[in-house]
Amino acid sequence: SQTIHQWPATLVQPVGSPLSLECTVEGTSNPNLYWYRQAAGRGLQLLFYSVGIGQISSEVPQNLSASRPQDRQFILSSKKLLLSDSGFYLCAVQYGYATLNDSPLHFGNGTRLTVT
Amino acid sequence: EDQVTQSPEALRLQEGESSSLNCSYTVSGLRGLFWYRQDPGKGPEFLFTLYSAGEEKEKERLKATLTKKESFLHITAPKPEDSATYLCAVRGNYGGATNKLIFGTGTLLAVQP
Repeated sequence: SQTIHQWPATLVQPVGSPLSLECTVEGTSNPNLYWYRQAAGRGLQLLFYSVGIGQISSEVPQNLSASRPQDRQFILSSKKLLLSDSGFYLCAVQYGYATLNDSPLHFGNGTRLTVT
Repeated sequence: EDQVTQSPEALRLQEGESSSLNCSYTVSGLRGLFWYRQDPGKGPEFLFTLYSAGEEKEKERLKATLTKKESFLHITAPKPEDSATYLCAVRGNYGGATNKLIFGTGTLLAVQP
């Protein structure tokens, strides 16, 4: 079966500190991977997506970056956190071998980040 | 610009009281409309995909329908365990290799016993 792991579940970080959130996927090969952020009262906002190792596309200019060092590993990073980076960060996976496909995204259980 | 609007923002029902949630959308070349359920502190859980106007999908007490401008999620005889936020999302023709979803802000459903 396919499983999405995200950690940590919660994180409290001071302004200006670095960030690293990790997402790993089991039970599939060559998935499309996504990072979304969900702020209170707002819809899910796409931050980054990746169709393969080392291939990252950014949707929103910001203080964050993403990397995909392995096929089933997706990392979200920041060198210096801002207060506005607080939110619920969700990793999503799209299964299937076609680069363009119409299957749904499946989400992990997220990381609640509070920047103080 | 693609857009998804969900209404109402919040809905309170008595157990057994059927109702519908609305998702209005504007998208360039619809490649799919998706419904998700999200419990507090959890990631969204996939419910349905609808691909073309007139299509319907059912799962237990939930039924999703699609027209060219909106989708409805009908909840028949809801139970307290149906309480959650229901999210609607669309996928359009964006060019390149992206299969991203554009989400609405959701409807918070509370079902009281």
